[in-house]
Amino acid sequence: QKEVEQNSGPLSVPEGAIASLNCTYSDRVSQSFFWYRQYSGKSPELIMSIYSNGDKEDGRFTAQLNKASQYVSLLIRDSQPSDSATYLCAVTGFKTIFGAGTRLFVKA
Amino acid sequence: GAVVSQHPSRVICKSGTSVKIECRSLDFQATTMFWYRQFPKKSLMLMATSNEGSKATYEQGVEKDKFLINHASLTLSTLTVTSAHPEDSSFYICSARDQGPGNTIYFGEGSWLTVV
Repeated sequence: QKEVEQNSGPLSVPEGAIASLNCTYSDRVSQSFFWYRQYSGKSPELIMSIYSNGDKEDGRFTAQLNKASQYVSLLIRDSQPSDSATYLCAVTGFKTIFGAGTRLFVKA
Repeated sequence: GAVVSQHPSRVICKSGTSVKIECRSLDFQATTMFWYRQFPKKSLMLMATSNEGSKATYEQGVEKDKFLINHASLTLSTLTVTSAHPEDSSFYICSARDQGPGNTIYFGEGSWLTVV
């Protein structure tokens, strides 16, 4: 079992829809959780961090954390073609582990 | 957010030569930095963990004599690709861990290396 798992996708959603990206992790002592966005040919950029159970909203992005079920998700509301990218989940416990990423396509 | 600067962004070198890539944390001190390589349409691959003042920890399969890492200060780590070959051509990315409460990792802009 991978330590941090993400569906590789591609996830395709129409413009204006909600994109839902999911990530599960295996280390129960994980404390910090991050979502990064990586455009093709560019390095990852941090878009959200979450540390406690529940939802955290930032603009069109909402991160959701459920430590009991060991998953963290990212919702993107009103998806735009410019959101098309690979989204990386990262989980920090003793060390930071990255998921392989989910490719998102937003169709105009 | 915190800024990590990587230089050069693009470099072309001849086979057999060495090339150095710098990674700097501009507004925080980073005792730990990481080096990745990424091939087109592939996932990030962690190469090594760079620890300030000590030897880097290399991932399995990464040649430490070929990919020399130096982390001489709290804001600078360097990766030197020695005796470069065309198969070393790749996108190299560094990241640095902020020592704040979340231990957030910030990425540099990446360096495209082409070996001809």
